[in-house]
Parts: sequence; C-alpha cells; structure tokens
Amino acid sequence: EVQLVESGGGLVQPGGSLRLSCAASGFTFSSYSMNWVRQAPGKGLEWVSYISSSSSTIYYADSVKGRFTISRDNAKNSLYLQMNSLRDEDTAVYYCARDFGVVIHDYWGQGTLVTVSS
Amino acid sequence: QSALTQPASVSGSPGQSITISCTGTSSDVGGYNYVSWYQQHPGKAPKLMIYEVSNRPSGVSNRFSGSKSGNTASLTISGLQAEDEADYYCSSYTSSSTRIFGTGTKVTVL
Repeated sequence: EVQLVESGGGLVQPGGSLRLSCAASGFTFSSYSMNWVRQAPGKGLEWVSYISSSSSTIYYADSVKGRFTISRDNAKNSLYLQMNSLRDEDTAVYYCARDFGVVIHDYWGQGTLVTVSS
Repeated sequence: QSALTQPASVSGSPGQSITISCTGTSSDVGGYNYVSWYQQHPGKAPKLMIYEVSNRPSGVSNRFSGSKSGNTASLTISGLQAEDEADYYCSSYTSSSTRIFGTGTKVTVL
C-alpha cells in the first residue's frame, strides 16, 4: 500500500525556518517525481515545488522561489522541503504528492500544518 | 502566475448532471493536454479524479468525465450523488514547466 507521511510542521515566527519531511513507503520511491502542495486555512490548493526522480530537475512556484528548497534522499525514501524566511502567508497545510505523470498527483499524504505567527 | 478560474460554487439535485469549468490561457490549459481534476472532502487530502483532460484513474466512478475546448477544461459529474458533495480543483501544466491549480469549486447536492 502506497503511503506518504509528512512531518515537521509547527509554529514558527516570521523570518524563521522549518524543514518538512515526507516518508514514502509501498512503492519504489526512486522511480517517481514528487511535489509539495499547500493549502492555506479555508483557501484553495497551491502547487509549491516539484523534484524529478533523480533530483536533476527542480521547479518552484514564484511565491516561494529563493526561500524554499526541495530535496530528496532516495536511499531513505524521503522527500524534504527546507523553508527559510517564512512569512505569515506561508501558513498552510503542506502536502507531499507523488507524480504518476505530468500533473498527475495520484497519491497524497495527510498533510502537516505550518503556522507562521509572532 | 494567477490561479486558473473556476466558479466558486455549483449545485444540483441528486441524479442531475453538473459541469465545472476551469479557464486558463494558451500558456497552460490551452497549450497542453495535461489537465487534472481533484476532489477534496473537508479535512481530507485531495483525490485524483481525472488526468490528461479526460482519463479516469482506476476506481473512480464513470460518472466523472473531463473534456477541454480551447483554454477551458471542464469536469462533468453525471447522476449526482450525496457523496459527490466536496470541493473540486483543476490543475494544469504550464509553459514555465510549473504546475497551477484552479481557484476551486464547492459542489453542493441539494
């Protein structure tokens, strides 16, 4: 059974940093591209970042470019999101999602809540 | 890049059909057949319903169908059921190789 489990969320002050993790199981992690998608409270989905299976290709949404860094460790079946210079507007539930194909997020984690507040 | 445009809400009675639109530009929806649709119930993670404009993943009811014309994609739910009440989001690949979601549509079953 495919499972994606996010962790690392919490309360952080504006300007602070946080590192999210996504532990994958039930499939060959190294064969799939992965994404981070977020959802602010009561708002819609926002795509955040993409990383290819070998980490050779990475993309970011303009809203996080230069502040967030996506990475993965295929040996540990894990996906990461390093978030720096956090802003109030980064407050959201962050989901990791597997790519079955282009824009085909076929499996999602349960999400981890990041709250940026003083 | 702004989100794709969806109606805020759509409603229908059980058994009816409804259609949700998703309008973008030639740089996203209109330029590629990489449009997906997701269903999200309150407090839950999104679920893939349609991919590559009109393909249904295994396990998704054939009451859900997708199409595209120009810069607008559409999701149709036929034979509306109470369990279809949820938020629906479209998503598209873009010319910048990024991905973009729609603004979301709340479907209400009357």
